[in-house]
Amino acid sequence: AQRVTQPEKLLSVFKGAPVELKCNYSYSGSPELFWYVQYSRQRLQLLLRHISRESIKGFTADLNKGETSFHLKKPFAQEEDSAMYYCALAGGTSYGKLTFGQGTILTVHP
Amino acid sequence: NAGVMQNPRHLVRRRGQEARLRCSPMKGHSHVYWYRQLPEEGLKFMVYLQKENIIDESGMPKERFSAEFPKEGPSILRIQQVVRGDSAAYFCASSPGMGDTEAFFGQGTRLTVV
Repeated sequence: AQRVTQPEKLLSVFKGAPVELKCNYSYSGSPELFWYVQYSRQRLQLLLRHISRESIKGFTADLNKGETSFHLKKPFAQEEDSAMYYCALAGGTSYGKLTFGQGTILTVHP
Repeated sequence: NAGVMQNPRHLVRRRGQEARLRCSPMKGHSHVYWYRQLPEEGLKFMVYLQKENIIDESGMPKERFSAEFPKEGPSILRIQQVVRGDSAAYFCASSPGMGDTEAFFGQGTRLTVV
């Protein structure tokens, strides 16, 4: 069975501080991993996916198969980064069927 | 493109009534996914549909829940004889097709059973 764990429900940092949102997964095959973000009163939207290896809004995430982790990082947090962040795994052929973690609420204080 | 549209945004039902949740996918998208988010939990996959076909319903409760995506019109998630435990946010996502395509989410329907 596939599972995604986000151990931190809440994460608070100050503006300009580094931030790391943790995500661990369990999957027997080769996973496709994503980070989704939900800003206040907005819909869930894709932030980044591991296969594209890109940086979006200063965020990066590296897939570590040895540690089965896909942590989201940003060196200098901004107030506008405050949101709910979900790590998700697609184990099949469709990127629409996702297993989500429980989410981490990130608050960036001024 | 207006994005994935879900309605109603909020729905209140008494125990034993039926709830119908609608999802209009993005233009050009023929694949729809439904998710449920219970309080304090992450989104849980329920069902994956193409036009007139259920592809994967492994996350659907065995009773009272059904979903359809007709040739014309929105996808419907139907919950019969609702109970308090059905109170949740229900999200719909759509994608153009299988494989390496991103799924886009609607804003969700919050169902409250009283």
